[in-house]
Amino acid sequence: DQQVKQNSPSLSVQEGRISILNCDYTNSMFDYFLWYKKYPAEGPTFLISISSIKDKNEDGRFTVFLNKSAKHLSLHIVPSQPGDSAVYFCAAKAGGGNKLTFGTGTQLKVEL
Amino acid sequence: DGGITQSPKYLFRKEGQNVTLSCEQNLNHDAMYWYRQDPGQGLRLIYYSQIVNDFQKGDIAEGYSVSREKKESFPLTVTSAQKNPTAFYLCDSSIFGEQYFGPGTRLTVT
Repeated sequence: DQQVKQNSPSLSVQEGRISILNCDYTNSMFDYFLWYKKYPAEGPTFLISISSIKDKNEDGRFTVFLNKSAKHLSLHIVPSQPGDSAVYFCAAKAGGGNKLTFGTGTQLKVEL
Repeated sequence: DGGITQSPKYLFRKEGQNVTLSCEQNLNHDAMYWYRQDPGQGLRLIYYSQIVNDFQKGDIAEGYSVSREKKESFPLTVTSAQKNPTAFYLCDSSIFGEQYFGPGTRLTVT
């Protein structure tokens, strides 16, 4: 049972435009959400996170939005740059623990 | 420098052999985790350990074993019972909600 889902396996965006990556979850106990960026054959790197008490968190070009009633979050990258091309994972955890549940990932390609 | 290391980067084994993947951290973190990544399946939790001498099964523990004899080390053994061992394996340590991933080991079993 996939508790965290990223329904778009891939996304292609032009440089300078906005990239929107989506993530849905089913477990209502999740109260903290994270986004990671991953290049092939490397470990994920943390991008941005959001607590369930907030609906938006912004850090530079990255903004995460959380819609708790819809159990949906999204990562906005603007403006998109070629170096943003990577696989993006959303992850969730519950109850202050450290155990992460990951989505299946979305391959973002930013084209010139 | 503090960090989390995994070795080797690439590992090749013949089917039927057990193989142990190394994960070491000098961050003084209590919690450590092992994930595997497969195409289209994201990162799936194999085993985790919240404290020395204790560990728990994750979502896909069958065919794997771990030990946690020291705080800084959490080796993962991929046994011959694991049906599809070829994958990218990631180790992670955490404290106070901060997660630190290692660079990963690509295991290929033929």
